[in-house]
Amino acid sequence: QQPVQSPQAVILREGEDAVINCSSSKALYSVHWYRQKHGEAPVFLMILLKGGEQKGHEKISASFNEKKQQSSLYLTASQLSYSGTYFCGTEPSGTYKYIFGTGTRLKVLA
Amino acid sequence: NAGVTQTPKFRILKIGQSMTLQCAQDMNHNYMYWYRQDPGMGLKLIYYSVGAGITDKGEVPNGYNVSRSTTEDFPLRLELAAPSQTSVYFCASRTDSTDTQYFGPGTRLTVL
Repeated sequence: QQPVQSPQAVILREGEDAVINCSSSKALYSVHWYRQKHGEAPVFLMILLKGGEQKGHEKISASFNEKKQQSSLYLTASQLSYSGTYFCGTEPSGTYKYIFGTGTRLKVLA
Repeated sequence: NAGVTQTPKFRILKIGQSMTLQCAQDMNHNYMYWYRQDPGMGLKLIYYSVGAGITDKGEVPNGYNVSRSTTEDFPLRLELAAPSQTSVYFCASRTDSTDTQYFGPGTRLTVL
């Protein structure tokens, strides 16, 4: 089943923070995060592996709670360039069948 | 190093026609994927491959076929195109070591 992301959409002012959540009903081996700008292909942001690690990429970081099968993406001091649709992606343990989440549209206003 | 390339970029098909979407990667990745993305929606896995000669179905395989005769190429075949197949098709390949997926630019397909 497709991971569910929340919120579905969010509008921010430059400099504000945001959190995007991704929840799965299946056991996860890893969680990936991607950003897709309108009319373009998704671009990989980061991967989190089992173990609850937290990773960072510029002012974007993420966490993975394997017990809850949840991941959260944290965007700090948002910039105009952060606008786009964010997808989490998961590969249920023991399979190669990659599944993307429902997506979160983020718009940063000046 | 071109990464993942897809051809064509755009295509209009009539109902019932067939076509092959081409995908190639020059990164020597074993894992390759085909996704479709309907307007305003997320990505759905059509087929994937874990190496030359090995393919398997994803979430939405009906109406499509794939083959993987080489590591580099992973073409997607549409037989008897239907309006429901109007979508943007993305091909991706993945590193073995970091699981990072690299996407091609996509093929925008319209079936009329």
